Amino acid sequence: NAGVTQTPKFRVLKTGQSMTLLCAQDMNHEYMYWYRQDPGMGLRLIHYSVGEGTTAKGEVPDGYNVSRLKKQNFLLGLESAAPSQTSVYFCASSLSRPLNQPQHFGDGTRLSIL
Amino acid sequence: GESVGLHLPTLSVQEGDNSIINCAYSNSASDYFIWYKQESGKGPQFIIDIRSNMDKRQGQRVTVLLNKTVKHLSLQIAATQPGDSAVYFCAEPPSGTYKYIFGTGTRLKVLA
Repeated sequence: NAGVTQTPKFRVLKTGQSMTLLCAQDMNHEYMYWYRQDPGMGLRLIHYSVGEGTTAKGEVPDGYNVSRLKKQNFLLGLESAAPSQTSVYFCASSLSRPLNQPQHFGDGTRLSIL
Repeated sequence: GESVGLHLPTLSVQEGDNSIINCAYSNSASDYFIWYKQESGKGPQFIIDIRSNMDKRQGQRVTVLLNKTVKHLSLQIAATQPGDSAVYFCAEPPSGTYKYIFGTGTRLKVLA
C-alpha cells in the first residue's frame, strides 16, 4: 500500500521557470492538500481540494495553481518560480472532512529556486 | 485567534527514559487532536489522536493526555529509543473548516 506518493523528490529550478509537482494517493481519499514547510514556520496550507474537480485557496496560495482532474491525483503548479518558493512541499490526503480524521502525508518534494 | 503551539523547541532525553512533549491550544471548542512524528527527510507520520470526550488515550509506547480545563495536551513516549528521534507536533482541525492547524514542532533528541 503506497499511501501518498509525491514526485519528484528533489528539483532545482531557475527563477522564472515553471514546473508541476504531482501527488497521488491510493486510499480513495476525498480530500487532498498541498503544504509548504519552511524552517521555524511549521506547515502552511497552499491549496486544498474537497473532491474531484474542486480546488480552494489555503493560507499562502499566491504564485501557485492546482488541479484535481482525477480523484487520486492533485497537481501543484508554479507558473514562474521565485526564490521565495524555495521550500519543502508536502501533499496530504484525508478520507473525508477533517473532523475526527487524520491526514496522511507524502515524503515531500524538496524544491530550490536559484 | 486560533493557534496550536508547543512549549519547547528541543527536548533531549536519555535513551530508556520517558519523554513528554507538550502542546497548547487556544480554541476551547476544539474536539479532536492529532500527534504527528516527522523524521528527517520524511513527511509527517500519524502517531495517535484523541477526541475531546477522552482525557487519555494509549497506543504502543505512546500516551496522549488531554486537559481541556487548561487547553493543553501532551504526548508521552515510554522507554524512549534512538528511533524516536524526530520532530513531534500536534495538529487540530478546527470545527467547521477544512483546514488543520499545526504547531511548529518539538525536536526530540535521544541521547545514547
